Amino acid sequence: QQQVKQSPQSLIVQKGGISIINCAYENTAFDYFPWYQQFPGKGPALLIAIRPDVSEKKEGRFTISFNKSAKQFSLHIMDSQPGDSATYFCAALKNFNKFYFGSGTKLNVKP
Amino acid sequence: GAVVSQHPSWVICKSGTSVKIECRSLDFQATTMFWYRQFPKQSLMLMATSNEGSKATYEQGVEKDKFLINHASLTLSTLTVTSAHPEDSSFYICSARSGGQQETQYFGPGTRLLVL
Repeated sequence: QQQVKQSPQSLIVQKGGISIINCAYENTAFDYFPWYQQFPGKGPALLIAIRPDVSEKKEGRFTISFNKSAKQFSLHIMDSQPGDSATYFCAALKNFNKFYFGSGTKLNVKP
Repeated sequence: GAVVSQHPSWVICKSGTSVKIECRSLDFQATTMFWYRQFPKQSLMLMATSNEGSKATYEQGVEKDKFLINHASLTLSTLTVTSAHPEDSSFYICSARSGGQQETQYFGPGTRLLVL
């Protein structure tokens, strides 16, 4: 059973547009929600993360929106750039234990 | 941010041979290291968790005798794929976590294994 469900599987956005990736989880014990960015042939890199006591976190062009009651969280990339083209993974963690990753979203930002 | 390296970055081997992959935390002490496997266009699948000086904890379905993990020091963990077969071909990624930042994992660049 997949603990974290991610959508869409792929996303095409024009340069300057907003990219939105969604994740949903079931386990209310999760207490940390990071997003990772992965370029082909490379390991994932932490992009931004949020805890469930906060509804939104913004770092530069990247924003996480968190809806605790709906058990959903999303990544918004403002002013998307071709250099943002990568695969994005959401994840969830509980009690500093193992991570549960979403299935990934391949983002393609068209110039 | 913290740096985690992997060696080799890619390896090609014959079926039946064993391959060792190293994962090092370069600028911090990693109390816990994780090994993941990633198939093309798929997510990361956790294989095992290793704590320095103790036996690794393997996820369900992962053969511990096939994927040997050693975490001998706070900066080094190794994954040995024993008697590799073509179906073991994959992208193997390690990550490391320091004791001070329990929620943060730093990933290595990955090792691509191709078994012929």
